[in-house]
Amino acid sequence: IAGITQAPTSQILAAGRRMTLRCTQDMRHNAMYWYRQDLGLGLRLIHYSNTAGTTGKGEVPDGYSVSRANTDDFPLTLASAVPSQTSVYFCASSDEGASGANVLTFGAGSRLTVL
Amino acid sequence: GQNIDQPTEMTATEGAIVQINCTYQTSGFNGLFWYQQHAGEAPTFLSYNVLDGLEEKGRFSSFLSRSKGYSYLLLKELQMKDSASYLCAVRDSNYQLIWGAGTKLIIKP
Repeated sequence: IAGITQAPTSQILAAGRRMTLRCTQDMRHNAMYWYRQDLGLGLRLIHYSNTAGTTGKGEVPDGYSVSRANTDDFPLTLASAVPSQTSVYFCASSDEGASGANVLTFGAGSRLTVL
Repeated sequence: GQNIDQPTEMTATEGAIVQINCTYQTSGFNGLFWYQQHAGEAPTFLSYNVLDGLEEKGRFSSFLSRSKGYSYLLLKELQMKDSASYLCAVRDSNYQLIWGAGTKLIIKP
């Protein structure tokens, strides 16, 4: 089934530890994104990549890094986790489509708790 | 600053009609999206408006007025499975998506 796979589904992490959230898509979409979703707030963009080999900072990039070595994979790394990074993380991808809408397809999410 | 406003929560009855409003103030406008998100799941795309007017897709319709910075999502013949959060998002002049916090819709029998 075409889509986005995220791993892990959930994780409890000690503060100060390094963590990588994995994201793989099989739709050959050029653009990929990492969002965090917190209660009472809209989705906030962490980092994005318009095409393989390029990345950009979103609204809340501090404490996170990404890489885009190929079209399919877009891992998100927390170098030294802090409790404020407790959140649900969604990976997404998009293509322009016939309407030019650039609709996002989301992964199932990774729930991260930092203690 | 950029802002998307939508009600936090709404309640409606199975079989009825509900309208979820979204107002926005953004730096430019390049389209408005509605996504549905069931609890514990990923958002899924519902509709896209870039021109003024009504877009109809089965039981769901979305309306846009760019001059008023306003959109609504209309859900007809409500079913229990429509219980979900509905997210409004606007693409600004930099083609970045600005998201509202979502409206939690509760459907009662």
